[in-house]
Amino acid sequence: KQEVTQIPAALSVPEGENLVLNCSFTDSAIYNLQWFRQDPGKGLTSLLLIQSSQREQTSGRLNASLDKSSGRSTLYIAASQPGDSATYLCAVNTDSSYKLIFGSGTRLLVRP
Amino acid sequence: DAGVTQSPTHLIKTRGQQVTLRCSPKSGHDTVSWYQQALGQGPQFIFQYYEEEERQRGNFPDRFSGHQFPNYSSELNVNALWLGDSALYLCASSLAQYNEQFFGPGTRLTVL
Repeated sequence: KQEVTQIPAALSVPEGENLVLNCSFTDSAIYNLQWFRQDPGKGLTSLLLIQSSQREQTSGRLNASLDKSSGRSTLYIAASQPGDSATYLCAVNTDSSYKLIFGSGTRLLVRP
Repeated sequence: DAGVTQSPTHLIKTRGQQVTLRCSPKSGHDTVSWYQQALGQGPQFIFQYYEEEERQRGNFPDRFSGHQFPNYSSELNVNALWLGDSALYLCASSLAQYNEQFFGPGTRLTVL
């Protein structure tokens, strides 16, 4: 059974700091991995999608990497800003399933 | 280009009642998935609809049912509501062959 874990559960950093969010999954047979952002009480905004054949994806100040063999993904945020404050969720889509399996998220606070 | 839309935004019901939530997918998308998100948790997969059929179902009781219409919009029905059904209900749409899922703003359901 696929399980997704995100560490840390919460993170507080000063503005301008570079930071890394971690996501691990137990079954390496994934089809893709998505990173999402969620503001309080709102829906999910897709940030990056990494296919199983890819090692990383970049969008602006965001970079996501994927290491299938070790069951890990990281989301790197460069030069963090207060507007980056939100909960970040990762989710995997396994080869034999259509559903996304989510971690519990990392709640990020960027202090001015 | 309209994204995924959901209605209503908020809903308050009492135990034992029935509720219907609605979702319109992103333009061009043919697949709709529903997720339940409890406070502080990652979303949990309820089911996915494709070509008006339930393609996959998560670990939810039969009180949760759905429907997809020919225009690809979808409804989620929950019967015999109980307190534990209080959550944010998220709809996601995708193109069947790509599986990158785009989420709507959610419907906040409160059961009293």
